[in-house]
Amino acid sequence: QQPVQSPQAVILREGEDAVINCSSSKALYSVHWYRQKHGEAPVFLMILLKGGEQKGHEKISASFNEKKQQSSLYLTASQLSYSGTYFCGTHGSGNTGKLIFGQGTTLQVKP
Amino acid sequence: NAGVTQTPKFQVLKTGQSMTLQCAQDMNHNSMYWYRQDPGMGLRLIYYSASEGTTDKGEVPNGYNVSRLNKREFSLRLESAAPSQTSVYFCASSEAQGPLSNQPQHFGDGTRLSIL
Repeated sequence: QQPVQSPQAVILREGEDAVINCSSSKALYSVHWYRQKHGEAPVFLMILLKGGEQKGHEKISASFNEKKQQSSLYLTASQLSYSGTYFCGTHGSGNTGKLIFGQGTTLQVKP
Repeated sequence: NAGVTQTPKFQVLKTGQSMTLQCAQDMNHNSMYWYRQDPGMGLRLIYYSASEGTTDKGEVPNGYNVSRLNKREFSLRLESAAPSQTSVYFCASSEAQGPLSNQPQHFGDGTRLSIL
């Protein structure tokens, strides 16, 4: 079951903050976050494991609420380099290694 | 550091032709994956391989076959290409061993495939 990301697209000015959400209808073991720039390969940002862990990567952080089966990605004081499409990938408990990706959220940061 | 290498980068096929996409990784990873990416659909898993000699179906396996030739190489074959298989194909690898992995996936640059 594909996780659902929201919003589908967001436009920001440099320095503004954004939140991208990822929701699943199934129990989750972990959530992965990746960023993909146009015409390039997806690049790994971070993994969150169940337990409510919150991680950070520069000014990008994320949380994982296993009870709500949700993860959120927080982009603080956005930079032009943050532009791209963000994907969450969810790893359900009991499956055999498959990571299922959401449809993506396109982020555009303008000067 | 090459990482994950995919060949070819671009390919145009006619309906009914066959094609093998090649993928190789030099990170000694156990698991390898094939995804397709279509506009608005995100990345969808076609097949994956948790170790040499094993393969398993993903979300959209119909029309594809795979071979895990050795630990480094994982190929994807289209036996009879159809226009619906026009897409960007990504290969990825990870250190994952078995289920419930917490290891990141490393992606190749993709193969852009058009089927006329």
